[in-house]
Amino acid sequence: DVKVTQSSRYLVKRTGEKVFLECVQDMDHENMFWYRQDPGLGLRLIYFSYDVKMKEKGDIPEGYSVSREKKERFSLILESASTNQTSMYLCASSPGTSYGYTFGSGTRLTVV
Amino acid sequence: DQQVKQNSPSLSVQEGRISILNCDYTNSMFDYFLWYKKYPAEGPTFLISISSIKDKNEDGRFTVFLNKSAKHLSLHIVPSQPGDSAVYFCAARSNAGGTSYGKLTFGQGTILTVHP
Repeated sequence: DVKVTQSSRYLVKRTGEKVFLECVQDMDHENMFWYRQDPGLGLRLIYFSYDVKMKEKGDIPEGYSVSREKKERFSLILESASTNQTSMYLCASSPGTSYGYTFGSGTRLTVV
Repeated sequence: DQQVKQNSPSLSVQEGRISILNCDYTNSMFDYFLWYKKYPAEGPTFLISISSIKDKNEDGRFTVFLNKSAKHLSLHIVPSQPGDSAVYFCAARSNAGGTSYGKLTFGQGTILTVHP
């Protein structure tokens, strides 16, 4: 089975801190995605990547950046955390042009 | 601009009865639709999907219906079980090509509660 592992289940950070959320997948998938989940808003795409060192903005990229130096790892960076970035963050991966996502378990981030 | 909409935030059903979850979309370029199920503190997991060339797909207790003219799909769960209690997300893929290919757009989710 494909595994998508997110490094932290729960994080509490202070306003203004730089925050790194890490995601690793073990099945050589080309595509990786970062979503955030908020009540009433569903899953919204922040950034995605179709290849190493390649990234594209999703629907809500403001305040975030990403890094994909290796195929298996996709990092989400909050340059200066704000309280409105308190959310559940979900990483996903998929092979090629497949529609089949595999999600990680999520990171619940609280910014205080 | 919400291209995939789940207008019912929650649904409560008795065990053994049918659960019907609805989803509407606006983008005519969507060619594949999926349902994901999410338990608290876990990531969403794939449940069932349907291609735009079909109008029905069945997998055990789960059936997805697609009405292209109405841009509407629904997920039927029969019979509903307490273990089905979760958040259900509808998702759609665009066939626009380029780097959009493979990217999913999700709805807001519907919380299903199945009472024993």
